[in-house]
Parts: sequence; structure tokens; C-alpha cells
Amino acid sequence: GPKVLQIPSHQIIDMGQMVTLNCDPVSNHLYFYWYKQILGQQMEFLVNFYNGKVMEKSKLFKDQFSVERPDGSYFTLKIQPTALEDSAVYFCASSFDKTNTEVFFGKGTRLTVV
Amino acid sequence: SQWGEENLQALSIQEGEDVTMNCSYKTYTTVVHWYRQDSGRGPALIILIRSNEREKRSGRLRATLDTSSQSGSLSITAAQCEDTAVYFCATDARLSGSFNKLTFGAGTRLAVCP
Repeated sequence: GPKVLQIPSHQIIDMGQMVTLNCDPVSNHLYFYWYKQILGQQMEFLVNFYNGKVMEKSKLFKDQFSVERPDGSYFTLKIQPTALEDSAVYFCASSFDKTNTEVFFGKGTRLTVV
Repeated sequence: SQWGEENLQALSIQEGEDVTMNCSYKTYTTVVHWYRQDSGRGPALIILIRSNEREKRSGRLRATLDTSSQSGSLSITAAQCEDTAVYFCATDARLSGSFNKLTFGAGTRLAVCP
């Protein structure tokens, strides 16, 4: 079936440094999302993105976070600077439609900030 | 049942048994998604039930939805070892016209077989 690919699967980074998480969404999808999951807790919505713009973001999407998808390439989540509390698994997702439709998730990138 | 601030729940059953996982939600939704997440993988949609449906079946899976009590359930008939996973319900608590913004429950860790 359709796959969302995330690179890398695990990243360890020093607090204060910048990190970029990459996502290759399903090829004909138009809507993109990032979710954050802290170990043992539920997944939480960060942001959705369409037509080159952030459509909605949650309070977890701090000022240090940004997303973009330049020229239809990877959909990226950048954190600059990172903080210890940013350690989590970040899931990228995509969908063809904006509502009432299946959302496809990647395997996640485990980010460890030390 | 799973929602909100509840911790991940755990269920252990024997192969061949039936199991039901419950989900309650706090805000209006037009659809309830049920996802399963295998270890090291992203969530994968297994069944989606809309607010105008009271029951939905897919193979050994049966989802129910009661919009008046804002609750739903997922049942697995004759569970098999490969059903071992974490199961999440998610609602699309969005305003009309806005985008997918799935809100996930805490999840139920289902173990089938020793």
C-alpha cells in the first residue's frame, strides 16, 4: 500500500542545536501532518500543511518549530534550537483529502536531545 | 477505555478469544478512526466509522459508534497472535471545512499469545 517514508529513523542531537526531520509523503497526497509521541503517551497533533502553507497548528508547535516542503520534495520539520523536552518520536503523515479520509503515517523518527 | 489523560492500557488474551476495546471522546466528531501500531512502526488505519453509522465490520473487526454518549468500541473476533499491537482510537475533532486534525486516545496494548 501507499507508504510515507521518514528519514532518519533515529537522531541524537545536542541541546540547542538545529535538527531537520525529513518525510517523503505518499506521492499523490496533498495534505501533510506532523505528530509527536512521547514514550508511553498518546500521539499528539502538531501541525497540518497544504499548498505550501501551515493551515493549523497546536500549542505544541512552538516558535522553534517550522515546516516546509520546498518544490514538492521532502516535507520537513525543523527545530531550532532543540530543547530536552523535544525528545520524542515524530510521525509524519499525509492524506489525499482534507477530511474524513485515511491518513497514512510513516514509521516515525525518534529524536533524542541530550 | 481510552481517552484524554488516561495512560496506555494493557490487555492480555488467549488466541481464539474475542476482545473489545472501548473509546470515549469529549468533542464533536464526524468520524472515529481505529489505528493499530506495531512495534517500531507508524499507526495504520484498520477501520473508520462515520457519525451516521452505528456499526462497521471489516473481517474479524467490528467497530461501533454511539454519538449520543460520545463513545465507540472496537471488537476483534477470534483473536490471533498477529493481532498483538497497540490499538488507538482517534477522532477528527474539526470544524466544518477545516483539515484533518486527529486526536488520539491513549491506546490499548493488546497481547495475544504468550
